[in-house]
Amino acid sequence: QQQVKQSPQSLIVQKGGISIINCAYENTAFDYFPWYQQFPGKGPALLIAIRPDVSEKKEGRFTISFNKSAKQFSLHIMDSQPGDSATYFCAASKGYQLIWGAGTKLIIKP
Amino acid sequence: KAGVTQTPRYLIKTRGQQVTLSCSPISGHRSVSWYQQTPGQGLQFLFEYFSETQRNKGNFPGRFSGRQFSNSRSEMNVSTLELGDSALYLCASSLVAGEGNEQYFGPGTRLTVT
Repeated sequence: QQQVKQSPQSLIVQKGGISIINCAYENTAFDYFPWYQQFPGKGPALLIAIRPDVSEKKEGRFTISFNKSAKQFSLHIMDSQPGDSATYFCAASKGYQLIWGAGTKLIIKP
Repeated sequence: KAGVTQTPRYLIKTRGQQVTLSCSPISGHRSVSWYQQTPGQGLQFLFEYFSETQRNKGNFPGRFSGRQFSNSRSEMNVSTLELGDSALYLCASSLVAGEGNEQYFGPGTRLTVT
């Protein structure tokens, strides 16, 4: 019930393409769904987050799509750039504790 | 505004020793959470402090402990180190505990236990 399942484990996308990472959750009490980006040797950085009362949120090239009935949410990176190469984590929370997905290693090929 | 700082950045200890890691949150943030990150287990929640009180604790043995000071700075301690404690320890701060959980992470402390 506390798990967040993230896929794919790794992803290779051509420069300029769309990167899509998916997450699924079980606990319907979760009310906050952030995405984090982590570069090697750095801590995760908050990228974008959504609450279940909206189905989509866009910030620049990053979009979260949220499907409450399917208990799924996804990150879309438009016009992917080599600088976007990093590990991406989805998470979900109710209150203090973030429950994390396993991460997706994204590589953008020039 | 300065980000979350963690010290030290790297640490090498031997089995059986103890270690103390430090975290200074973003100015004005009162909540500090600690996470352990390993390749095998990913990111796992250790505990969360708000106003010097531990509010929540993850599923870690009692060898892992922490505290928060009146200036919101936090420390975590691991006693009787085991090889499996080798990990990146991350500290995250947020403005208010439980409020949307917008957590901002520090660079982490890389602990190696030999």
